[in-house]
Amino acid sequence: DQQVKQNSPSLSVQEGRISILNCDYTNSMFDYFLWYKKYPAEGPTFLISISSIKDKNEDGRFTVFLNKSAKHLSLHIVPSQPGDSAVYFCAASATNDMRFGAGTRLTVKP
Amino acid sequence: DAGITQSPRYKITETGRQVTLMCHQTWSHSYMFWYRQDLGHGLRLIYYSAAADITDKGEVPDGYVVSRSKTENFPLTLESATRSQTSVYFCASSRKGPGSREQYFGPGTRLTVT
Repeated sequence: DQQVKQNSPSLSVQEGRISILNCDYTNSMFDYFLWYKKYPAEGPTFLISISSIKDKNEDGRFTVFLNKSAKHLSLHIVPSQPGDSAVYFCAASATNDMRFGAGTRLTVKP
Repeated sequence: DAGITQSPRYKITETGRQVTLMCHQTWSHSYMFWYRQDLGHGLRLIYYSAAADITDKGEVPDGYVVSRSKTENFPLTLESATRSQTSVYFCASSRKGPGSREQYFGPGTRLTVT
């Protein structure tokens, strides 16, 4: 069973607009959440994270929001740039466990 | 150059053959991991290692064997490859365990089992 779900396999956004990527999880033991970004033929790279004691974390154009009651997190990219086009993986971690979502392919059109 | 490398980058093998995927890191991270990435499943942990000679199973360990005689190397062996093991394999390392805040991934090995 998938404990972390990214229900949108793909997302297309115009350059300059906001990209919103969503992620849902089922295990309430997860206490830390991460987003990784992956370009073709490369490994995933860490992008941004949030602890379960927070509801928002911001880093430049990237903001992650966490809604614990809904077991939902989202990644906002504002403004979106063509170089943001990649696959984004959501991950949730607990002690000695990390689970990844299936990924969302973001395409930012010029 | 420092980092985490994987070899080979691409491999085609036949069903029943043994194949070993190599992973090498230069950060002296204690923990190393093997994941497989499949469409619709994201990344799934196969095995991880906390230190030399210490390994543990992840979410999908069946059909795989690992060893870690040196801190910097963590080879993954498919003893008798099956078509279901066709996948992209990623090695990763970190200072802490599977629940680590950040893991650093290699570029991946695309394995095809015919």
